[in-house]
Amino acid sequence: EIVLTQSPDTLSLSPGERATLSCRASQSVYNGYLAWYQQRPGQAPRLLIHVTSRRATGIPDRFSGSGSGTDFTLTISRLEPEDFAVYYCQQYGSAPPYTFGQGTKLE
Amino acid sequence: EVQLVESGGGLVQPGESLKLSCAASGFTFSDSPMHWVRQAPGKGLEWVGRIRNGYATAYAESVRGRFTISRDDSKNTAYLQMNSLKSEDTAVYYCSRQTDSCNDYWGQGTLVTVSS
Repeated sequence: EIVLTQSPDTLSLSPGERATLSCRASQSVYNGYLAWYQQRPGQAPRLLIHVTSRRATGIPDRFSGSGSGTDFTLTISRLEPEDFAVYYCQQYGSAPPYTFGQGTKLE
Repeated sequence: EVQLVESGGGLVQPGESLKLSCAASGFTFSDSPMHWVRQAPGKGLEWVGRIRNGYATAYAESVRGRFTISRDDSKNTAYLQMNSLKSEDTAVYYCSRQTDSCNDYWGQGTLVTVSS
């Protein structure tokens, strides 16, 4: 089972600033199949990024993903008030389980 | 418009069973693998399991042997049968559609509470 570790647990920033969230895997992620989700309080997760760097439909271009192997990053270039939420990474390896990271709270 | 609507949650006692449903619309359900993901109160997301469009299933270690995922393509519905429930199964359960190695659409979730 691939373990994903996100850092930091909490990130305190202000609107307009740049956010950099990290996701490290215990082994190489198959084909870069790493996704990022945003979850606001009381809501279901929302897909932001898949296959490391592909933005999902309707996601603003201030969100970008990068990385390879075991190290992946979600960057939000200029924070908007609605971006303050919890962010999760998830890996889709060659076989299940398709594990999530523990989450990063952006406050 | 893609929609996923979970139902069937509620309060049950430890050791009891519960079956959740996920009604899908707005896409070709029979072509799509479906996943169940849960979130305990105040905690992160936990992958529970998935069923492929060919009906093959896979489960997290924490639920294997107790939970069963099935689907009825004629009804555009996926199911999560949960047996021998424990207090640690208390969570909001989400169903989601898989596409291109990600889960692109999610339901609003249904709360399962296991307590005596």
